Amino acid sequence: AQSVAQPEDQVNVAEGNPLTVKCTYSVSGNPYLFWYVQYPNRGLQFLLKYITGDNLVKGSYGFEAEFNKSQTSFHLKKPSALVSDSALYFCAVRPSGSARQLTFGSGTQLTVLP
Amino acid sequence: SQTIHQWPATLVQPVGSPLSLECTVEGTSNPNLYWYRQAAGRGLQLLFYSVGIGQISSEVPQNLSASRPQDRQFILSSKKLLLSDSGFYLCAWSVRPLIRSNEKLFFGSGTQLSVL
Repeated sequence: AQSVAQPEDQVNVAEGNPLTVKCTYSVSGNPYLFWYVQYPNRGLQFLLKYITGDNLVKGSYGFEAEFNKSQTSFHLKKPSALVSDSALYFCAVRPSGSARQLTFGSGTQLTVLP
Repeated sequence: SQTIHQWPATLVQPVGSPLSLECTVEGTSNPNLYWYRQAAGRGLQLLFYSVGIGQISSEVPQNLSASRPQDRQFILSSKKLLLSDSGFYLCAWSVRPLIRSNEKLFFGSGTQLSVL
């Protein structure tokens, strides 16, 4: 069975500084990796995905994530954080070929301080 | 454009009472439909998955059930709620078939269920 670990429950970063939200995974075979974001009082939204190809994936709102197969990681990054980036971020993984087996991490609360 | 509606937004129910949460999708046909639960401090847990009318797959044994009476309607139910059923419930849909170019879920706004 696959699993996702988000080792940090809370990440605080100053506005304008780079941010990283960590994610490591375990899955059989090739992984499909996702980041979702949950803004306050809003639903969960898709941010970006890695299916295949370039290890650096660019997504919405200036976010990007780097797939590292040897470290089984898919960390979310942004060069310059905004206060409006404050939200709950979820990493998810599933093995290729099975839609139902999408496994989410426990989430990381990102707070960007003005 | 596609939209997903989920209601109610909040619900407080006594232990032993029944439950019915409804989710509808507009602007698409033949979607995959999902029910997730988000417990405090834990990740999203897939509860049910449906690829078509009347086709329900249960991912974990539990006190809940799901039904899909229409193509774009997905209902989460319980005959008798338990305290442990409290949580944040999210409905989601995805394009079917889930091919590589359509790899994303679209979530509803969620229902916060408190069982007292």
